[in-house]
Amino acid sequence: QKEVEQNSGPLSVPEGAIASLNCTYSDRGSQSFFWYRQYSGKSPELIMSIYSNGDKEDGRFTAQLNKASQYVSLLIRDSQPSDSATYLCAVTYSGAGSYQLTFGKGTKLSVIP
Amino acid sequence: DTGVSQNPRHKITKRGQNVTFRCDPISEHNRLYWYRQTLGQGPEFLTYFQNEAQLEKSRLLSDRFSAERPKGSFSTLEIQRTEQGDSAMYLCASSLGGWSNEKLFFGSGTQLSVL
Repeated sequence: QKEVEQNSGPLSVPEGAIASLNCTYSDRGSQSFFWYRQYSGKSPELIMSIYSNGDKEDGRFTAQLNKASQYVSLLIRDSQPSDSATYLCAVTYSGAGSYQLTFGKGTKLSVIP
Repeated sequence: DTGVSQNPRHKITKRGQNVTFRCDPISEHNRLYWYRQTLGQGPEFLTYFQNEAQLEKSRLLSDRFSAERPKGSFSTLEIQRTEQGDSAMYLCASSLGGWSNEKLFFGSGTQLSVL
């Protein structure tokens, strides 16, 4: 069973702080890793992708990947109330002809003004 | 353009009725996906198309579910003899395709309520 695990939260951080979101996955053959943001009642929106070990930065967002530990994280710097949402970690599993993206249950982030 | 378009946005039906949803992907995208999401859960994969070919189906997709993508453009998802457990948000997504670097772009979803 291929799994993506996330702490469901809620994670509460004060405005301006760094929010740290974590995700682990079960299949060592996983190749592509994504973070989606989902506001309540809306569809998921892609915010970050990462494919190789290390850090990838995009504005206030940094994705970190450690394939040896099967661990992906998302850091949000200078958190804003508008960042309050559920953050979904998603992983593409290896396998011939399979492009199935598997999601975790999401971590709910609340940024307190 | 526009993004992925889904219709209807909401559907209320009685148990046992058939329903059909439509998805129009981003025009240059050749891959189209259907996912289902219930409250407090992440999206669950149902099926995906590469152009008009349905290449992968989840075991979640029972015999009551069927999806088509004629001519590799829009797609429909039909649920026959709906059950209360089918109540969920049905999400369509599309992507350009390419080796493993799948970036999915989601539509707004169709919220199904089965009474």
